[in-house]
Amino acid sequence: TQLLEQSPQFLSIQEGENLTVYCNSSSVFSSLQWYRQEPGEGPVLLVTVVTGGEVKKLKRLTFQFGDARKDSSLHITAAQPGDTGLYLCAGAFGNEKLTFGTGTRLTIIP
Amino acid sequence: NAGVTQTPKFQVLKTGQSMTLQCAQDMNHEYMSWYRQDPGMGLRLIHYSVGAGITDQGEVPNGYNVSRSTTEDFPLRLLSAAPSQTSVYFCASTLGGVGGELFFGEGSRLTVL
Repeated sequence: TQLLEQSPQFLSIQEGENLTVYCNSSSVFSSLQWYRQEPGEGPVLLVTVVTGGEVKKLKRLTFQFGDARKDSSLHITAAQPGDTGLYLCAGAFGNEKLTFGTGTRLTIIP
Repeated sequence: NAGVTQTPKFQVLKTGQSMTLQCAQDMNHEYMSWYRQDPGMGLRLIHYSVGAGITDQGEVPNGYNVSRSTTEDFPLRLLSAAPSQTSVYFCASTLGGVGGELFFGEGSRLTVL
């Protein structure tokens, strides 16, 4: 089983601040996804990245895929209380089954 | 749009009891899967199916059975519940196989005493 490490595990910041969370592996991803999960609900897909160096933006969220396709980051600008949740990365390694990271639990304080 | 529907949402079992978690999707997705989510461990794949009549084991299959008689339904059976199976269970489906967008149900919280 491939391992995905997410950091930090917990993050609590004030509304309006910027933040970055990370997803790392020692192996090369064929693709990587970011999901957000709110309490009592299932995860919801935010983005899929496939190409090394790829950058995708979703409003205030910026996703970057590392050049070597072994890591990814999620940057949130001007965080809002609605951004609170558990952020999960999930990587596909070749044709193997999707592997999920342990998640970053983000709390935005109004 | 119903999407992926899981029942029950909450269940308490005694050690040794059996039960079935139901999962149904109305998106005509071929690929369906079951995950368990435990604190600090992310989502771990239990079993998955790439189509009706086909199932396979994931990362943590012991103590669980699945079947896929129709495209829509993918039930998860706990044969003899153990406290280690206390967890939140999620069913998911996707059109695109590995790397495709996963659509999740709302989860089923199971406690085994």
